[in-house]
Amino acid sequence: EIVLTQSPGTLSLSPGERATLSCRASQSVSSSYLAWYQQKPGQAPRLLIYGASSRATGIPDRFSGSGSGTDFTLTISRLEPEDFAVYYCQQYGSSPLLTFGPGTKVDIK
Amino acid sequence: QLQLQESGPGLVKPSETLSLTCTVSGGSISSSSYYWGWIRQPPGKGLEWIGSIYYSGSTYYNPSLKSRATISVDTSKSQFSLKLSSVTAADTAVYYCARQRVYLGAWGQGTLVTVSS
Repeated sequence: EIVLTQSPGTLSLSPGERATLSCRASQSVSSSYLAWYQQKPGQAPRLLIYGASSRATGIPDRFSGSGSGTDFTLTISRLEPEDFAVYYCQQYGSSPLLTFGPGTKVDIK
Repeated sequence: QLQLQESGPGLVKPSETLSLTCTVSGGSISSSSYYWGWIRQPPGKGLEWIGSIYYSGSTYYNPSLKSRATISVDTSKSQFSLKLSSVTAADTAVYYCARQRVYLGAWGQGTLVTVSS
């Protein structure tokens, strides 16, 4: 089983600042099979990034994804008030078919 | 625009079977491009993929559920369903249905299921 680890657990930043979130896999993950989601309280997760670096439909370009192998990064270039949320990475391909990281909470400093 | 809506009892007794249905609208459940999945999230915790089904009936499950989960599809009603047997308090969670490829591109709003006597 591929285990995803996300760091930091919580990121305290101010609006306008840059956020860098890390997702590390216990084994190599194909870039095609790495996604990122945003979840706000009381809401379902929303797909942000798929294929490690492709933005989903309607996602602002301040969100970007990068990485390969075992290390992946989600970057929010300038935090907007609506970006304070929990972010999850997800991999596809090994049993279990889909697994998620534990999440990084981005909160207001 | 694709919409998914979960439905089912919000309260289930321990040792009984949890049953949920997801209704798909605004798109075809018989699309060859997608699987249809179930994901859950215990209160205050992270996400766990339960399993998924193709319109033909092919299924994949998370081994952690130890064969308690069964997913089925009814293409005539544009619905797919989850049954989880022998539930305990640890199965209390918000249950989401979603459209699945190698990622989960569209989600239902989720439904809270509480396991309690």
